[in-house]
This record gives sequence, structure tokens and C-alpha cells, in this order.
Amino acid sequence: AQSVTQLGSHVSVSEGALVLLRCNYSSSVPPYLFWYVQYPNQGLQLLLKYTSAATLVKGINGFEAEFKKSETSFHLTKPSAHMSDAAEYFCAVMGSSNTGKLIFGQGTTLQVKP
Amino acid sequence: EADIYQTPRYLVIGTGKKITLECSQTMGHDKMYWYQQDPGMELHLIHYSYGVNSTEKGDLSSESTVSRIRTEHFPLTLESARPSHTSQYLCASSALGAAADGYTFGSGTRLTVV
Repeated sequence: AQSVTQLGSHVSVSEGALVLLRCNYSSSVPPYLFWYVQYPNQGLQLLLKYTSAATLVKGINGFEAEFKKSETSFHLTKPSAHMSDAAEYFCAVMGSSNTGKLIFGQGTTLQVKP
Repeated sequence: EADIYQTPRYLVIGTGKKITLECSQTMGHDKMYWYQQDPGMELHLIHYSYGVNSTEKGDLSSESTVSRIRTEHFPLTLESARPSHTSQYLCASSALGAAADGYTFGSGTRLTVV
């Protein structure tokens, strides 16, 4: 079985500051891990994914995430926040058996202050 | 540009009405999903399908029903809408045997039952 915990339902940063959104997962099989972003009144858009290749994954809009098996973490970072980064962010896990479903975390709201 | 389409985007309807939320995808994906997303952001899987004539209930109990008569079409129906059904409904799809690709989401339908 898989599960995801996102630490912090709200994160607030200043424009230009580092963005760090935390995600810890639990999986009984090697996982696939995903970060999605949701802008107001929109669906979810894939930011990046980990599929057992490189542990440091680069995504769109300058975001990246590092898979750390020992810490069961997949935290999302961006060196310098932009106002347009304000959105909801969801971490998700799927077992690599291809028969499982995507399991989402509770979501983190990112606020960017001018 | 979207490869998965949801209509309508917004719907306000009276209690007791029957409604159908439409979801269509042009990617030939076998798997399709419906999620309910409340104002608290968390995504709850309410229905999924792994192919034509295959439908399953998700993790969250829902009074809605779904059908999958064609690969590209996965409509969700509420026979008698109630205020408790007010929510955002997100449709998604994925390819069979391509778990590493994650899901593609539509833009959602925001339903308000008055």
C-alpha cells in the first residue's frame, strides 16, 4: 500500500526566496513519485516525476525535487520564488507495479508575498 | 492545449435535478478517473475505469454513477443533486502500462447545488 504526507498545508515565502515544499511517502514497492500544481479554478498540471532514474529530478518553471530513499522523502524546491508560483501543490505516489492508483497528499498552498 | 476536456466548467443547479458531467479524452487512454475536490483541497477518488464496460467505485463513497461505453468518454451522473454534492469534480486519464507517466487532468467542473 502507498500513502503520502505533505508537511504544512500552507507555506508563505517572499518573492525571490527559496521555496521548499515537503513530501514524505510510504510504499511497499519501489514508487513512482509526482508533484502536481493546481492554479485557481484549474485542473492539476504535472510539474515533475521520479521514475527510478536520476534521484534529482528537474521539472517545469524552475522546480526540482530530490528522491531520498533513506528518508522516504521527495521534497519540492525552487531557488527563487516568483509571484506566479502561488498555487496549490500536490505530491502523489504510485506503486511501480502498474496496477495501482495514484495516491495524493493533502496539498500545500504556496503564498508568495511581494 | 488540453487533451482531456470537461464540460461544463461551472454549473449552478437546483436541488433534485439530474445532472451529467462530461469528460472526454483524445489520447486513447484506457484508464480514466473521477476525483472530488472539496474546498479543503484534498482529492478523493470516487470512480475509475480501466477500459470500456469497466467501472469501479473509488476510495470515497459517492452517490454519483459513471459509465464507460466508449474509450474516450467517461461521464459522471447525479440522479438527484443535493447541496452536499457542491464541489469541484476533476476527471483524469492515464495509459495502460504507463504508470510512470502519471495522470493527465481536465480543467474540472465546479458544481454548486442550491
